[in-house]
Amino acid sequence: NAGVTQTPKFQVLKTGQSMTLQCAQDMNHNSMYWYRQDPGMGLRLIYYSASEGTTDKGEVPNGYNVSRLNKREFSLRLESAAPSQTSVYFCASSVGGGYGYTFGSGTRLTVV
Amino acid sequence: SQQGEEDPQALSIQEGENATMNCSYKTSINNLQWYRQNSGRGLVHLILIRSNEREKHSGRLRVTLDTSKKSSSLLITASRAADTASYFCVSNNNAGNMLTFGGGTRLMVKP
Repeated sequence: NAGVTQTPKFQVLKTGQSMTLQCAQDMNHNSMYWYRQDPGMGLRLIYYSASEGTTDKGEVPNGYNVSRLNKREFSLRLESAAPSQTSVYFCASSVGGGYGYTFGSGTRLTVV
Repeated sequence: SQQGEEDPQALSIQEGENATMNCSYKTSINNLQWYRQNSGRGLVHLILIRSNEREKHSGRLRVTLDTSKKSSSLLITASRAADTASYFCVSNNNAGNMLTFGGGTRLMVKP
């Protein structure tokens, strides 16, 4: 089925470890996004990529880096994980212009 | 900080009743969207209303938008136990490249 695929679905890291969250979409969308959701809250934008080859900071970019590898793939990297980064991470894509958002099923990350 | 504020934060109703959730946002928008999130799951798009629209319907959903008050409401009529979820108001900025989420309303529909 068409959509946004995130891997892994669950991950436990030790403080200071690094990891990359992967996201891929097969809908030929121009824009891709990474959000985090903390318990009882809405999603907050970490980084986005309006089009292939561009990335921009969102509301909470500190501690993260991103790569728009190609039109399909947008990865999120934690270079040195901290307990404050324990959260559920969602990748999304859209056709652009504010329409047609599709979300992945999320990655539940715990940093101990 | 998040742009949207939702009211109420939690709502508990009986099956068959209507549920109304309100949302406010702070800056100019291109459109406003409502999403549902079941516990531990991803988000599902429910309905989108453009900034030049005032009301929109989709099945049992009715959304209103008042850009002068920077507010929106979502009405779910004849609620069902399966409607139990968190509902998020999401504003889209004028450039159309960024969604901003409210804190959500946790709806519980009792059978």
